[in-house]
Amino acid sequence: LAKITQPISMDSYEGQEVNITCSHNNIATNDYITWYQQFPSQGPRFIIQGYKTKVTNEVASLFIPADRKSSTLSLPRVSLSDTAVYYCLVVNTNAGKSTFGDGTTLTVKP
Amino acid sequence: KAGVTQTPRYLIKTRGQQVTLSCSPISGHRSVSWYQQTPGQGLQFLFEYFSETQRNKGNFPGRFSGRQFSNSRSEMNVSTLELGDSALYLCASTDRGMETQYFGPGTRLLVL
Repeated sequence: LAKITQPISMDSYEGQEVNITCSHNNIATNDYITWYQQFPSQGPRFIIQGYKTKVTNEVASLFIPADRKSSTLSLPRVSLSDTAVYYCLVVNTNAGKSTFGDGTTLTVKP
Repeated sequence: KAGVTQTPRYLIKTRGQQVTLSCSPISGHRSVSWYQQTPGQGLQFLFEYFSETQRNKGNFPGRFSGRQFSNSRSEMNVSTLELGDSALYLCASTDRGMETQYFGPGTRLLVL
């Protein structure tokens, strides 16, 4: 399974764009990359998922380079309510197992 | 559609007891996965069920077990509780594979 590393914490200000990078060096061919947001005492909330290149939805973008050994979650114009822990998850669809990163605590300041 | 629901939301037990947690997946989803979340170990995969069969299992002792019913609802059981079992237990459902998992709010278990 992929070994996943992501920064422990990041600070930002309201209105800025935030990029959080996740490293998954030994990602396998059938692995998908998913990002989740989690607030205290709540379950992780799905943000975005991708396999390669770029994916965009109404809340975020996900950039995955050709070698797929890393991925970057981009949050445009963050607000105070985006303060949360962000997890990178790699799902091995062959083994049917998931590996979470340790999470990045994003703090958005006014 | 209603989201993933978990019951109970909070639970207090003592060492040596056993506990059963319940998870109802999103309607139509047939795969349910369970995770343990602790401050020290983060989110760790416990097991995954699909159509009443356990397909995958993480690295947890045999005290942790689960099952899935024909309506896709799942239960997780922990026997002979230890202090270290105190955690937030999360379940997630998907419609087929595990590519996109939707999580419930979790059950907070405290073992005294």
